[in-house]
Amino acid sequence: AQTVTQSQPEMSVQEAETVTLSCTYDTSENNYYLFWYKQPPSRQMILVIRQEAYKQQNATENRFSVNFQKAAKSFSLKISDSQLGDTAMYFCAITGTASKLTFGTGTRLQVTL
Amino acid sequence: NAGVMQNPRHLVRRRGQEARLRCSPMKGHSHVYWYRQLPEEGLKFMVYLQKENIIDESGMPKERFSAEFPKEGPSILRIQQVVRGDSAAYFCASSPGGTVNNEQFFGPGTRLTVL
Repeated sequence: AQTVTQSQPEMSVQEAETVTLSCTYDTSENNYYLFWYKQPPSRQMILVIRQEAYKQQNATENRFSVNFQKAAKSFSLKISDSQLGDTAMYFCAITGTASKLTFGTGTRLQVTL
Repeated sequence: NAGVMQNPRHLVRRRGQEARLRCSPMKGHSHVYWYRQLPEEGLKFMVYLQKENIIDESGMPKERFSAEFPKEGPSILRIQQVVRGDSAAYFCASSPGGTVNNEQFFGPGTRLTVL
């Protein structure tokens, strides 16, 4: 079974600052993918970034980047130059050969002026 | 190319009634996943279907819940004799294949309220 742990229920960051959201996971599989999803108040699930486990290079998407530490089973999300529109719930997730996604409990991020 | 469609967006049922939630995957996608999100929690996997087949139903409650994805038409998640604890947001996702590298695209969800 795969598990995902997000230990920060809530985070706050000022506009234009940088924030890092933590995620740890556990899996017995060698071939898996890790994801960060954003869920704004509209509740739509939006894929922010994904990382293939066999790739050592950390994924980046514009202001979003990850720090993937495979040995430590850690997958944190860094948001640079935070914007008000980044205010949302952020979920870390993992998928493996079973295809289904396993989600963490989420981190509520509030971006303030 | 339209995204994943779910209807209704909001559904209110009284205890004991049936709830039917529909999901139309993206064009060209033949794999559908259903997830449930209880208030203030993350999404939990329920069932994974391919056209006319249930591939994995390990997350489905043993009673009252069923799912189908017929050859023609949307995928249906059916909840019989709803109880207050069924109140949640139900999300459908679709993908073009069932392998680990296929991204799942999510619909907007159906929020079920049981009175």
